[in-house]
Amino acid sequence: SQTIHQWPATLVQPVGSPLSLECTVEGTSNPNLYWYRQAAGRGLQLLFYSIGIGQISSEVPQNLSASRPQDRQFILSSKKLLLSDSGFYLCAWSVQSSTEAFFGQGTRLTVV
Amino acid sequence: QKEVEQNSGPLSVPEGAIASLNCTYSDRGSQSFFWYRQYSGKSPELIMSIYSNGDKEDGRFTAQLNKASQYVSLLIRDSQPSDSATYLCAVNNDQAGTALIFGKGTTLSVSS
Repeated sequence: SQTIHQWPATLVQPVGSPLSLECTVEGTSNPNLYWYRQAAGRGLQLLFYSIGIGQISSEVPQNLSASRPQDRQFILSSKKLLLSDSGFYLCAWSVQSSTEAFFGQGTRLTVV
Repeated sequence: QKEVEQNSGPLSVPEGAIASLNCTYSDRGSQSFFWYRQYSGKSPELIMSIYSNGDKEDGRFTAQLNKASQYVSLLIRDSQPSDSATYLCAVNNDQAGTALIFGKGTTLSVSS
């Protein structure tokens, strides 16, 4: 069966510090991968999605970036965090665009 | 701008009642529709998927889709306190390289 791992679960970082969140999927090949963010009291905002290694689409221009160095690995990064980057970051995967997405456990990021 | 709209609630129902959650979407090309449940502090989990007009039943849950009216709903029969959560509607138009677009969710509270 397929599983998705996301870490860390919680993170407190100072403003201006770098960020690296990692997500890996097991039990499937060539999944679509997604990064969403959920700010307090707000809906899920799509940040990035990838249909293959090295293929990243950005939905929201900001100080975040994503990379997919391996088929089942998706990384969210920032060089300098802002207070507004605080939120619940969720990695997800799907077989293809038209099918359901499955989420990791999420990372709650607080920028202080 | 593709949008998915949900009443934020809270929707309060007594235990054993039917809860009705509604969602409208703006993209007429949408083909895939999903309902997710999200408990406070947790990641979304898939409840139902529906692709064709009409009703789809799974246990106590029924999803209803009307593409002409751009409307999808979720009925929860015999509501239980454990159903208290935020319910997210998600939509995709199935074009290659696209991702689910989520509504902001409806908070359901089931009182015992």
